[in-house]
Amino acid sequence: DADVTQTPRNRITKTGKRIMLECSQTKGHDRMYWYRQDPGLGLRLIYYSFDVKDINKGEISDGYSVSRQAQAKFSLSLESAIPNQTALYFCATNDRLYGYTFGSGTRLTVV
Amino acid sequence: AQTVTQSQPEMSVQEAETVTLSCTYDTSESNYYLFWYKQPPSRQMILVIRQEAYKQQNATENRFSVNFQKAAKSFSLKISDSQLGDTAMYFCAFMPYQGAQKLVFGQGTRLTINP
Repeated sequence: DADVTQTPRNRITKTGKRIMLECSQTKGHDRMYWYRQDPGLGLRLIYYSFDVKDINKGEISDGYSVSRQAQAKFSLSLESAIPNQTALYFCATNDRLYGYTFGSGTRLTVV
Repeated sequence: AQTVTQSQPEMSVQEAETVTLSCTYDTSESNYYLFWYKQPPSRQMILVIRQEAYKQQNATENRFSVNFQKAAKSFSLKISDSQLGDTAMYFCAFMPYQGAQKLVFGQGTRLTINP
């Protein structure tokens, strides 16, 4: 099994719909992150969390919310999806010393 | 705030050639890490190489090596004896040693290795 698992792998949704992207990890790391990848922009940080009571906004948090249900689970929600949220989304963990472990990504298309 | 710039959106070389991908960054931090990630069509983010800023010696991993110039804030990746499997998007990234350790990525360079 993958160390960081994201579901779904691909998703097409309609404008205005609420959607949740899920992430779970078996690494035992406290730190979890959500990034968004767009062509020509690289990956940008949406939200990050250091434990279930510690949630922090990244550089592009508008239109998104997150929930850290347990140390191993960190979900990203789009309350009302819009087309410019079409992107590849990555969840990642960080062990502070050796760096990040990424999930395999969720490709989201908002039509 | 830190920034990372990759000035080459696309590159293309022949198999077995050597190719160098450029990356510059801007930071006021004194201790940090720099990374190169590879993203093949499978879209998985794969760590290629890691450099700690306090180490003067350039990191090397098999055919991959970096030229780390701390004063110039430059961190280029050299791929020797390139292979078809090296075809991918490559991202340069910066991470502060302390604090939230948020990764800051460059825009990416799409590398194509031609047979």
